[in-house]
Amino acid sequence: GQQVMQIPQYQHVQEGEDFTTYCNSSTTLSNIQWYKQRPGGHPVFLIQLVKSGEVKKQKRLTFQFGEAKKNSSLHITATQTTDVGTYFCAGGSGYSTLTFGKGTMLLVSP
Amino acid sequence: NAGVTQTPKFQVLKTGQSMTLQCAQDMNHNSMYWYRQDPGMGLRLIYYSASEGTTDKGEVPNGYNVSRLNKREFSLRLESAAPSQTSVYFCASSALDGTYEQYFGPGTRLTVT
Repeated sequence: GQQVMQIPQYQHVQEGEDFTTYCNSSTTLSNIQWYKQRPGGHPVFLIQLVKSGEVKKQKRLTFQFGEAKKNSSLHITATQTTDVGTYFCAGGSGYSTLTFGKGTMLLVSP
Repeated sequence: NAGVTQTPKFQVLKTGQSMTLQCAQDMNHNSMYWYRQDPGMGLRLIYYSASEGTTDKGEVPNGYNVSRLNKREFSLRLESAAPSQTSVYFCASSALDGTYEQYFGPGTRLTVT
């Protein structure tokens, strides 16, 4: 079945440093979504990418979808303590479900 | 507009006991999902319902059953709880399919002793 791998598992940065998490799928995706889960909370949708090579920005967050639609990345510029949480990618194959990566836990020290 | 609600928030069971986790959404969504989240394992799909009246197995269905009671409600039943089912359970819904964002409930923290 489809597998979605995410690296790194964990990253600890100082406030103001940049952060990137990478997502790779074993199969070509129709779409990829990104979610954020704050400690003790539930996943919250951030964005969806559907086109090959697509780049979307949300303030300090930049999301990319690879040309082959098998990989994606989330980059945060100048992290803040409010960015703390676990970031998940989730790949879709055109059916009813998404396959979630295991997530990258981001810790930001002030 | 409450979004996705789940009950209970916390539950402790003894091995062999049964229980039902309840989930409801008020967004008129067609698809609903049950996930479990374990440390370092991400979100794993247990069962899903693409529309009222249909249910399908996900990645980890063993030991669970589901019922799509109506368009709003999707319940998850543990018939004979095992310690391996200690986890956080999330219900989610989406408007249609995997190309639509999923809205998650607050979760149920279940401990089986």
